[in-house]
Amino acid sequence: DVKVTQSSRYLVKRTGEKVFLECVQDMDHENMFWYRQDPGLGLRLIYFSYDVKMKEKGDIPEGYSVSREKKERFSLILESASTNQTSMYLCASQTKWQGGFNTEAFFGQGTRLTVV
Amino acid sequence: AQSVTQPDIHITVSEGASLELRCNYSYGATPYLFWYVQSPGQGLQLLLKYFSGDTLVQGIKGFEAEFKRSQSSFNLRKPSVHWSDAAEYFCAVYSGAGSYQLTFGKGTKLSVIP
Repeated sequence: DVKVTQSSRYLVKRTGEKVFLECVQDMDHENMFWYRQDPGLGLRLIYFSYDVKMKEKGDIPEGYSVSREKKERFSLILESASTNQTSMYLCASQTKWQGGFNTEAFFGQGTRLTVV
Repeated sequence: AQSVTQPDIHITVSEGASLELRCNYSYGATPYLFWYVQSPGQGLQLLLKYFSGDTLVQGIKGFEAEFKRSQSSFNLRKPSVHWSDAAEYFCAVYSGAGSYQLTFGKGTKLSVIP
């Protein structure tokens, strides 16, 4: 069964801390994504990666960085957490483009991060 | 750039009633369209997807959606809603090779009255 696992369901961090959110997928997918979800704003793309060590900025990359050292793992890093980064974070993975049909994204359960 | 609009932020229906959730997209070529559902505190689960062919697609949990190119719409429907359908629903568009990313609407929250 397809699985995307996020390391924490809930996190509470202090302002200024460096925060790591981890995501692991077991489907050998090339593409991985980090989204942020806020009420009334839907899902907004922070960063994505289409291969190991490759990354691209999404719509809201400011204050975030990512790391993809292994194909199955994609980490989101908050260099210095701020209260406006309190949110739900969702990781997703997806196979590379294969003519359309297999391009659905699979999501993890989400990490609810609170920065105090 | 592609975009997705879900005009209804919140919809309330009675159990057993029919449901239609609206989705309009903006994209120049043939889009790849998705509906996802999110139960409280959970990740997103794919309900159905449209890539080509028959414009009426069937999904899981008794949902269906119809692609209408002339209206740039991909509305989600269910003939009889169950209390367990209460969740948030997201429409998304994927523009295909070279783009990689899904663009989501802001979601429609569905409440079901017993």
